[in-house]
Amino acid sequence: AQKITQTQPGMFVQEKEAVTLDCTYDTSDPSYGLFWYKQPSSGEMIFLIYQGSYDQQNATEGRYSLNFQKARKSANLVISASQLGDSAMYFCAMREGYQKVTFGTGTKLQVIP
Amino acid sequence: NAGVTQTPKFRVLKTGQSMTLLCAQDMNHEYMYWYRQDPGMGLRLIHYSVGEGTTAKGEVPDGYNVSRLKKQNFLLGLESAAPSQTSVYFCASGLAGGPAGELFFGEGSRLTVL
Repeated sequence: AQKITQTQPGMFVQEKEAVTLDCTYDTSDPSYGLFWYKQPSSGEMIFLIYQGSYDQQNATEGRYSLNFQKARKSANLVISASQLGDSAMYFCAMREGYQKVTFGTGTKLQVIP
Repeated sequence: NAGVTQTPKFRVLKTGQSMTLLCAQDMNHEYMYWYRQDPGMGLRLIHYSVGEGTTAKGEVPDGYNVSRLKKQNFLLGLESAAPSQTSVYFCASGLAGGPAGELFFGEGSRLTVL
C-alpha cells in the first residue's frame, strides 16, 4: 500500500502567485514526521520543511508552509509568492516512528513568468 | 564540510556484472538510507540502517545487498546487475532520536546497466 500519495504529477503557477502541492499519507504509528524536499533540474535534494505528528501548529519556513490536517492525513505544501527558481520537482516524505523514511512520487512545479 | 559523499558518480555495467556503491557521511549520523529514483516513481527505499552493524529492508530490496560495518559508511552492492537496476541512486543520512530531523542527501550516482 502506498504510504505517501502525491496526486498531482505536474502543476503550473503564475509568478508571484501562491500554489498548494498536495500530499496524503497513511500510517498507524502515532509518532511520525512529514517532510517536503525540492529537487531542481540539477538533481540535488533540498530540504524545505518538517512537521511532527504531535506539533500543534503548522510549520512555516519563509515562503513555505505546511498545511497539516491530521484527521484527514494530509500535509500539503503551500508556496507563497512563487518565483521562477521554484520550478522543480517536489517530494513529500514520511518518517514513521524512529526508522524508515518513505517518499511520494513527486509533483513537477513549473512557474510561468 | 563534505556532508554525504557518494562514489562513484557515474557507472556503466554490463548485465551480470557486480559493483558496490559507497556512501560516506562525516556528520556522525546514526541513520543511513539508500534510495533509487526512476522517472514517475519518486524515490523508493532500497535498504536502510539505524546504526553500525544493522541493516533493514525497504520497499524494493531485491537484487541489492548492503553493509554498515562502520558508522560513517553504508555500502550498496549489486551482485549480478540487471537492466532493471538502471537508475539514479541516492544515499541519505540523518540523526537518531525520533521522527524529527531532516535527511541529508548525497549528490546521487547514475548507474546504467546494458
